[in-house]
Amino acid sequence: GAVVSQHPSRVICKSGTSVKIECRSLDFQATTMFWYRQFPKQSLMLMATSNEGSKATYEQGVEKDKFLINHASLTLSTLTVTSAHPEDSSFYICSARDRGSTYEQYFGPGTRLTVT
Amino acid sequence: AQSVTQLGSHVSVSEGALVLLRCNYSSSVPPYLFWYVQYPNQGLQLLLKYTSAATLVKGINGFEAEFKKSETSFHLTKPSAHMSDAAEYFCAVSEGGGNKLTFGTGTQLKVEL
Repeated sequence: GAVVSQHPSRVICKSGTSVKIECRSLDFQATTMFWYRQFPKQSLMLMATSNEGSKATYEQGVEKDKFLINHASLTLSTLTVTSAHPEDSSFYICSARDRGSTYEQYFGPGTRLTVT
Repeated sequence: AQSVTQLGSHVSVSEGALVLLRCNYSSSVPPYLFWYVQYPNQGLQLLLKYTSAATLVKGINGFEAEFKKSETSFHLTKPSAHMSDAAEYFCAVSEGGGNKLTFGTGTQLKVEL
């Protein structure tokens, strides 16, 4: 149980284009989902918290117009990187909190974004 | 504000030897503490968690961790390392089980023959 999937696992896009990453909770309902960014050999940095049906809460320093987050249902959140640049290349990981849990997060396998 | 410090970005042990990965935390309220493992190009897998119950927590794959409030520590141990334990390990803290998880910088564990 408690499986989170991400799609795609890898994506390469050209500078200036936008790319959408999906995060799905497969066997539970997630009222809250989280998006993290991980640079090579570094830790995870929380980018934003999304709650189903409401606007995402972004961490300080994260551009909300660049990283668009939508949490349209209890099993799906999407992160869209708009007008991507090479510096946006990174490993993006989502996590989801089970509706019945107050603290535990289940992590997806991550998406490797490369902007050329 | 909550924070986590992991001492030692790289730890190397021999197969069969004790594994000790260090984690110290800072939290203004009783913390919830977690250890996660990450294999290359994968997401995070929860090893174990402390949520204010027993201070000695047993997790998967033979790992365990002890919450020591007086030392603000939550070190991860395993009596006998296996080659498959080679991975990146992250300690994380959540204040009172709230929304935000704050991660340490990670410790890369290498297991040698």
